[in-house]
Amino acid sequence: KNQVEQSPQSLIILEGKNCTLQCNYTVSPFSNLRWYKQDTGRGPVSLTIMTFSENTKSNGRYTATLDADTKQSSLHITASQLSDSASYICVVSGDDSNYQLIWGAGTKLIIKP
Amino acid sequence: DVKVTQSSRYLVKRTGEKVFLECVQDMDHENMFWYRQDPGLGLRLIYFSYDVKMKEKGDIPEGYSVSREKKERFSLILESASTNQTSMYLCASRRTPGSKNIQYFGAGTRLSVL
Repeated sequence: KNQVEQSPQSLIILEGKNCTLQCNYTVSPFSNLRWYKQDTGRGPVSLTIMTFSENTKSNGRYTATLDADTKQSSLHITASQLSDSASYICVVSGDDSNYQLIWGAGTKLIIKP
Repeated sequence: DVKVTQSSRYLVKRTGEKVFLECVQDMDHENMFWYRQDPGLGLRLIYFSYDVKMKEKGDIPEGYSVSREKKERFSLILESASTNQTSMYLCASRRTPGSKNIQYFGAGTRLSVL
């Protein structure tokens, strides 16, 4: 069964600290993996997209990694800010059409001052 | 910037009512999607549309229908609302499929069915 599992479910860290969120998937075949950020009460916003051949992608203080062999991805946030408080969602596509995306349940990140 | 607008942020309806959720995008995107989001679950696809008058069932189409008469507008219809349809509904749009094409989401409609 195609699945995307994210850990931890929730995380609280102090402002300025780094953190890493995990995503494991069992989707096959694999086309690409995306990370989205969803602020409370808003729709998700794309952070990164990685295809099979890409193993690292950065977007400012966000760095995503992909290991297609072990089917794992991580999202590392550096020097966290209060505005990073949000849910982070991992999404995997099994084909280039991307009509059927497998969504993880998300990690809820809270940054405390 | 791409803008996806959902007509209502919050809706409260009674069981059995017919409910219309409207979504409009301003970037001439071919594809549009309706999802529902529930606590502890990933987004689940209800319906999507390749283009005008085209629609395809997603993972959970039961109890829902859609309409796409114009390219910019995609409507989700709950024919007879039930309490288990209480949820956050998200609309998204994007250009024709490609591995790098991302979906742009509206702010969501939180629907409560009493």
